[in-house]
Amino acid sequence: KNQVEQSPQSLIILEGKNCTLQCNYTVSPFSNLRWYKQDTGRGPVSLTIMTFSENTKSNGRYTATLDADTKQSSLHITASQLSDSASYICVVSAANSGYALNFGKGTSLLVTP
Amino acid sequence: DGGITQSPKYLFRKEGQNVTLSCEQNLNHDAMYWYRQDPGQGLRLIYYSQIVNDFQKGDIAEGYSVSREKKESFPLTVTSAQKNPTAFYLCASSILVGGYGYTFGSGTRLTVV
Repeated sequence: KNQVEQSPQSLIILEGKNCTLQCNYTVSPFSNLRWYKQDTGRGPVSLTIMTFSENTKSNGRYTATLDADTKQSSLHITASQLSDSASYICVVSAANSGYALNFGKGTSLLVTP
Repeated sequence: DGGITQSPKYLFRKEGQNVTLSCEQNLNHDAMYWYRQDPGQGLRLIYYSQIVNDFQKGDIAEGYSVSREKKESFPLTVTSAQKNPTAFYLCASSILVGGYGYTFGSGTRLTVV
């Protein structure tokens, strides 16, 4: 069964600090891995998408890594801002089922002043 | 601007009634998807469609029905057979191959009263 596990479940950090979120997956056959940011009551917004051959991808203060051998990914946020407070969701696409996505439960991040 | 439009944003339904959630996209995407989001859980796939007049069940299709008569539209009907319909519903679309260009709507929050 395809699964995506994220840790930690929730995280509180001070504004300006860095943090790293983790994602482990067992989705097969693997197509790509994405990180999304979701504000409460809104649809998810894509941060990064990586295929099998990509190890790192950045989007501003967000940097995602992928280790396809160990089936692990991380999302690093640098110099956090209050607006970074949201749920961050790791999503893995399988190369079947019409490329429907397998979602982790998300990490809830709260950035405090 | 291209995108996905979900309507309404909030919907209230009495027990025993069917209700239809609208999803329209002007991205010329072939594939469309419906997800359900509950507190503390990842998004779960209800139905997806890769082409007009064809759709497939996802992980939690019971109590739901869909149609895909036009490429742009993928409405979801929550029937009275769905035992726990109160949830946040997200529609998405993507370029068929590889699932690239995955875009989410802003969601519909359905509450059964």
